[in-house]
Amino acid sequence: DVKVTQSSRYLVKRTGEKVFLECVQDMDHENMFWYRQDPGLGLRLIYFSYDVKMKEKGDIPEGYSVSREKKERFSLILESASTNQTSMYLCASRIQSSSYNEQFFGPGTRLTVL
Amino acid sequence: KNQVEQSPQSLIILEGKNCTLQCNYTVSPFSNLRWYKQDTGRGPVSLTIMTFSENTKSNGRYTATLDADTKQSSLHITASQLSDSASYICVVSAKDSSYKLIFGSGTRLLVRP
Repeated sequence: DVKVTQSSRYLVKRTGEKVFLECVQDMDHENMFWYRQDPGLGLRLIYFSYDVKMKEKGDIPEGYSVSREKKERFSLILESASTNQTSMYLCASRIQSSSYNEQFFGPGTRLTVL
Repeated sequence: KNQVEQSPQSLIILEGKNCTLQCNYTVSPFSNLRWYKQDTGRGPVSLTIMTFSENTKSNGRYTATLDADTKQSSLHITASQLSDSASYICVVSAKDSSYKLIFGSGTRLLVRP
Protein backbone atom coordinates (compact mmCIF):
# COMPACT_ATOMS: atom_id res chain seq x y z
CA ASP A 1 0.00 0.00 0.00
CA VAL A 2 1.07 3.54 -0.73
CA LYS A 3 1.89 5.44 2.38
CA VAL A 4 2.06 9.21 2.48
CA THR A 5 2.94 10.72 5.83
CA GLN A 6 2.99 14.29 7.02
CA SER A 7 5.20 15.55 9.80
CA SER A 8 2.50 17.05 11.99
CA ARG A 9 -1.24 16.52 12.38
CA TYR A 10 -1.77 19.83 14.15
CA LEU A 11 0.39 22.93 14.18
CA VAL A 12 -0.07 26.34 15.82
CA LYS A 13 2.17 29.21 14.74
CA ARG A 14 2.27 32.95 15.16
CA THR A 15 1.97 35.57 12.44
CA GLY A 16 5.32 36.20 10.80
CA GLU A 17 6.88 32.86 11.73
CA LYS A 18 8.54 30.67 9.12
CA VAL A 19 6.69 27.37 8.89
CA PHE A 20 7.82 24.07 7.40
CA LEU A 21 5.37 21.32 6.51
CA GLU A 22 6.96 18.05 5.50
CA CYS A 23 5.63 15.16 3.49
CA VAL A 24 7.19 11.77 2.86
CA GLN A 25 6.02 8.99 0.54
CA ASP A 26 7.41 5.48 0.47
CA MET A 27 6.42 4.26 -3.00
CA ASP A 28 9.10 5.90 -5.14
CA HIS A 29 6.53 8.18 -6.81
CA GLU A 30 7.93 10.85 -9.09
CA ASN A 31 5.16 13.40 -8.63
CA MET A 32 4.20 15.09 -5.38
CA PHE A 33 1.62 17.77 -4.62
CA TRP A 34 0.63 20.24 -1.92
CA TYR A 35 -3.01 21.30 -1.53
CA ARG A 36 -4.93 23.38 0.94
CA GLN A 37 -8.49 22.62 1.93
CA ASP A 38 -10.88 25.21 3.31
CA PRO A 39 -14.54 24.80 4.32
CA GLY A 40 -16.90 25.16 1.37
CA LEU A 41 -14.05 25.09 -1.14
CA GLY A 42 -12.58 22.16 -2.97
CA LEU A 43 -8.95 21.26 -2.58
CA ARG A 44 -6.76 23.87 -4.23
CA LEU A 45 -3.34 23.12 -5.64
CA ILE A 46 -0.49 25.18 -4.19
CA TYR A 47 2.58 23.60 -5.79
CA PHE A 48 3.58 20.35 -7.36
CA SER A 49 6.83 18.66 -8.25
CA TYR A 50 7.46 16.39 -11.21
CA ASP A 51 10.67 15.05 -9.76
CA VAL A 52 13.62 15.90 -7.55
CA LYS A 53 14.51 19.60 -7.65
CA MET A 54 11.66 20.27 -10.08
CA LYS A 55 8.66 22.33 -9.05
CA GLU A 56 5.81 24.19 -10.64
CA LYS A 57 3.27 26.64 -9.30
CA GLY A 58 -0.28 25.51 -8.88
CA ASP A 59 -3.36 27.68 -8.62
CA ILE A 60 -2.57 29.50 -5.36
CA PRO A 61 1.24 29.68 -4.88
CA GLU A 62 1.36 33.17 -3.36
CA GLY A 63 2.90 33.16 0.10
CA TYR A 64 4.31 29.65 -0.27
CA SER A 65 7.46 27.99 -1.53
CA VAL A 66 8.52 24.35 -1.79
CA SER A 67 11.59 22.21 -1.67
CA ARG A 68 12.26 18.76 -3.09
CA GLU A 69 15.82 17.67 -2.44
CA LYS A 70 15.02 13.96 -2.27
CA LYS A 71 12.51 11.94 -4.24
CA GLU A 72 10.54 10.80 -1.22
CA ARG A 73 10.28 14.16 0.53
CA PHE A 74 8.39 17.31 -0.44
CA SER A 75 8.36 20.32 1.87
CA LEU A 76 5.96 23.25 1.90
CA ILE A 77 7.35 26.48 3.32
CA LEU A 78 5.45 29.49 4.56
CA GLU A 79 8.10 32.21 4.61
CA SER A 80 6.09 34.51 6.87
CA ALA A 81 2.89 32.94 8.11
CA SER A 82 -0.29 34.99 8.00
CA THR A 83 -3.71 34.37 9.53
CA ASN A 84 -5.24 33.74 6.09
CA GLN A 85 -2.97 30.71 5.78
CA THR A 86 -4.85 28.97 8.56
CA SER A 87 -6.07 25.87 6.79
CA MET A 88 -5.84 22.12 6.32
CA TYR A 89 -2.81 21.20 4.20
CA LEU A 90 -2.79 17.95 2.28
CA CYS A 91 0.14 16.33 0.54
CA ALA A 92 -0.31 13.80 -2.26
CA SER A 93 1.88 11.67 -4.47
CA ARG A 94 1.45 9.95 -7.79
CA ILE A 95 3.39 7.73 -10.13
CA GLN A 96 4.38 9.64 -13.26
CA SER A 97 2.91 7.03 -15.59
CA SER A 98 -0.50 6.95 -13.89
CA SER A 99 -3.02 6.86 -16.71
CA TYR A 100 -5.87 7.73 -14.36
CA ASN A 101 -4.02 10.49 -12.51
CA GLU A 102 -4.57 8.65 -9.23
CA GLN A 103 -3.15 10.65 -6.36
CA PHE A 104 -2.62 9.24 -2.89
CA PHE A 105 -3.12 11.61 0.00
CA GLY A 106 -1.49 12.00 3.36
CA PRO A 107 -3.51 12.50 6.56
CA GLY A 108 -3.22 16.29 6.45
CA THR A 109 -1.79 18.98 8.71
CA ARG A 110 -4.20 21.39 10.31
CA LEU A 111 -2.31 24.67 10.63
CA THR A 112 -3.55 27.54 12.78
CA VAL A 113 -1.82 30.91 12.50
CA LEU A 114 -2.52 33.25 15.40
CA LYS B 1 -14.26 27.09 -16.86
CA ASN B 2 -13.71 23.62 -15.46
CA GLN B 3 -15.93 23.13 -12.42
CA VAL B 4 -17.30 20.38 -10.22
CA GLU B 5 -20.42 21.00 -8.16
CA GLN B 6 -21.80 18.68 -5.52
CA SER B 7 -25.13 18.47 -3.78
CA PRO B 8 -26.31 18.46 -1.14
CA GLN B 9 -23.68 20.25 0.92
CA SER B 10 -24.64 18.18 3.93
CA LEU B 11 -26.94 15.30 4.71
CA ILE B 12 -28.13 13.54 7.84
CA ILE B 13 -29.59 10.04 7.63
CA LEU B 14 -30.44 7.24 10.04
CA GLU B 15 -28.28 4.16 10.24
CA GLY B 16 -29.44 1.49 7.83
CA LYS B 17 -30.98 3.93 5.35
CA ASN B 18 -29.79 4.52 1.79
CA CYS B 19 -28.69 7.83 0.35
CA THR B 20 -27.53 9.33 -2.95
CA LEU B 21 -25.01 12.09 -3.44
CA GLN B 22 -24.85 14.12 -6.64
CA CYS B 23 -22.00 15.54 -8.71
CA ASN B 24 -22.27 17.75 -11.82
CA TYR B 25 -19.19 18.72 -13.78
CA THR B 26 -18.25 20.95 -16.69
CA VAL B 27 -14.73 19.57 -17.20
CA SER B 28 -13.71 19.15 -20.81
CA PRO B 29 -12.18 17.14 -22.35
CA PHE B 30 -13.23 14.58 -19.75
CA SER B 31 -10.85 11.83 -18.71
CA ASN B 32 -12.20 10.20 -15.55
CA LEU B 33 -14.20 10.85 -12.41
CA ARG B 34 -13.36 9.63 -8.96
CA TRP B 35 -15.22 9.62 -5.66
CA TYR B 36 -13.14 10.06 -2.52
CA LYS B 37 -14.15 9.50 1.10
CA GLN B 38 -12.58 11.80 3.66
CA ASP B 39 -12.98 11.03 7.34
CA THR B 40 -12.77 13.97 9.71
CA GLY B 41 -9.16 15.01 10.20
CA ARG B 42 -7.90 12.58 7.55
CA GLY B 43 -6.81 12.70 3.94
CA PRO B 44 -9.14 11.62 1.11
CA VAL B 45 -9.21 7.94 0.16
CA SER B 46 -10.37 6.79 -3.27
CA LEU B 47 -13.65 4.82 -3.43
CA THR B 48 -14.25 4.42 -7.15
CA ILE B 49 -12.97 5.68 -10.49
CA MET B 50 -14.99 5.85 -13.69
CA THR B 51 -13.90 6.55 -17.23
CA PHE B 52 -15.99 7.84 -20.12
CA SER B 53 -17.23 4.42 -21.17
CA GLU B 54 -18.33 3.24 -17.73
CA ASN B 55 -21.87 3.78 -16.44
CA THR B 56 -21.77 2.04 -13.07
CA LYS B 57 -19.14 0.85 -10.68
CA SER B 58 -19.54 -0.67 -7.24
CA ASN B 59 -17.29 -0.95 -4.23
CA GLY B 60 -19.10 -2.86 -1.52
CA ARG B 61 -22.06 -0.76 -0.37
CA TYR B 62 -20.95 2.15 -2.56
CA THR B 63 -22.22 2.37 -6.15
CA ALA B 64 -21.18 5.18 -8.45
CA THR B 65 -22.92 6.06 -11.70
CA LEU B 66 -21.78 8.25 -14.54
CA ASP B 67 -23.78 9.87 -17.32
CA ALA B 68 -21.21 11.39 -19.64
CA ASP B 69 -23.88 12.97 -21.83
CA THR B 70 -25.40 15.04 -19.05
CA LYS B 71 -22.06 15.28 -17.19
CA GLN B 72 -23.52 13.97 -13.98
CA SER B 73 -22.41 11.37 -11.47
CA SER B 74 -23.97 9.99 -8.34
CA LEU B 75 -22.73 8.00 -5.38
CA HIS B 76 -25.28 5.71 -3.80
CA ILE B 77 -24.67 4.32 -0.33
CA THR B 78 -26.71 1.30 0.66
CA ALA B 79 -27.59 0.27 4.21
CA SER B 80 -25.59 3.08 5.76
CA GLN B 81 -23.36 2.50 8.76
CA LEU B 82 -22.07 4.91 11.38
CA SER B 83 -18.62 4.60 9.81
CA ASP B 84 -19.99 6.11 6.60
CA SER B 85 -20.07 9.48 8.35
CA ALA B 86 -17.53 11.48 6.37
CA SER B 87 -17.16 13.97 3.55
CA TYR B 88 -17.50 12.60 0.03
CA ILE B 89 -15.60 14.44 -2.66
CA CYS B 90 -16.16 14.20 -6.40
CA VAL B 91 -12.96 14.72 -8.41
CA VAL B 92 -12.63 15.00 -12.19
CA SER B 93 -9.54 14.71 -14.38
CA ALA B 94 -9.26 16.40 -17.76
CA LYS B 95 -7.52 14.79 -20.72
CA ASP B 96 -5.52 17.87 -21.52
CA SER B 97 -3.74 17.90 -18.18
CA SER B 98 -1.59 15.07 -16.93
CA TYR B 99 -1.69 16.12 -13.30
CA LYS B 100 -4.49 18.55 -12.57
CA LEU B 101 -7.54 17.40 -10.62
CA ILE B 102 -10.73 19.46 -10.31
CA PHE B 103 -12.31 18.97 -6.90
CA GLY B 104 -15.86 19.44 -5.77
CA SER B 105 -16.38 21.03 -2.36
CA GLY B 106 -17.79 17.78 -0.99
CA THR B 107 -20.93 16.49 0.70
CA ARG B 108 -20.73 16.05 4.44
CA LEU B 109 -22.69 12.95 5.47
CA LEU B 110 -23.71 12.23 9.05
CA VAL B 111 -25.18 8.83 9.85
CA ARG B 112 -27.06 8.77 13.15
CA PRO B 113 -27.92 5.68 15.19
